[in-house]
Amino acid sequence: LAKTTQPISMDSYEGQEVNITCSHNNIATNDYITWYQQFPSQGPRFIIQGYKTKVTNEVASLFIPADRKSSTLSLPRVSLSDTAVYYCLVGYMNNNAGNMLTFGGGTRLMVKP
Amino acid sequence: EAGVAQSPRYKIIEKRQSVAFWCNPISGHATLYWYQQILGQGPKLLIQFQNNGVVDDSQLPKDRFSAERLKGVDSTLKIQPAKLEDSAVYLCASSRRGGENTEAFFGQGTRLTVV
Repeated sequence: LAKTTQPISMDSYEGQEVNITCSHNNIATNDYITWYQQFPSQGPRFIIQGYKTKVTNEVASLFIPADRKSSTLSLPRVSLSDTAVYYCLVGYMNNNAGNMLTFGGGTRLMVKP
Repeated sequence: EAGVAQSPRYKIIEKRQSVAFWCNPISGHATLYWYQQILGQGPKLLIQFQNNGVVDDSQLPKDRFSAERLKGVDSTLKIQPAKLEDSAVYLCASSRRGGENTEAFFGQGTRLTVV
């Protein structure tokens, strides 16, 4: 499974756009990129997933360059409630084995008023 | 849709005692995961089931940890005997079987304190 590297922590202010970049130089051809969010005392929650180019949903956007060796999670206009740990995962979907989910250390985002 | 249910929410035991955690995944989800999350770290996969078969248990300390998923639905994770370093949150997650955009759903976890 590809190893991921992301910043340990980031600070932002309410209303700003936050971009968290994840490096995954050894990503394999059949790997997808998935981001999870985790609040204290809760399990991680799925945010967004992509394979290439750009994916957008109601919560975030995910930008993946052509070489797929990195990805950027973009959170528009963050609020205090977006303070959480964000994990970048790289893994493949195997119909016989399910999704392979390996978490790294994550990025601790602190949103300030 | 009901989420992943875990019990108990909290457990305090003495070292060398035994403990068991229970997980009920979302109905119809073939894949079930158990993770260990030590304070300040990301979740570490202990074991992954596909239906009632084990897909990956390479990081499960098999001398003291065991897990089973009877009939491919509920699962239990057991620690016997517990050590101080087993203090952590144990998370259960489930997902549908493979495919694109298949997200995993996590329970709230069981916080274990070994004293």
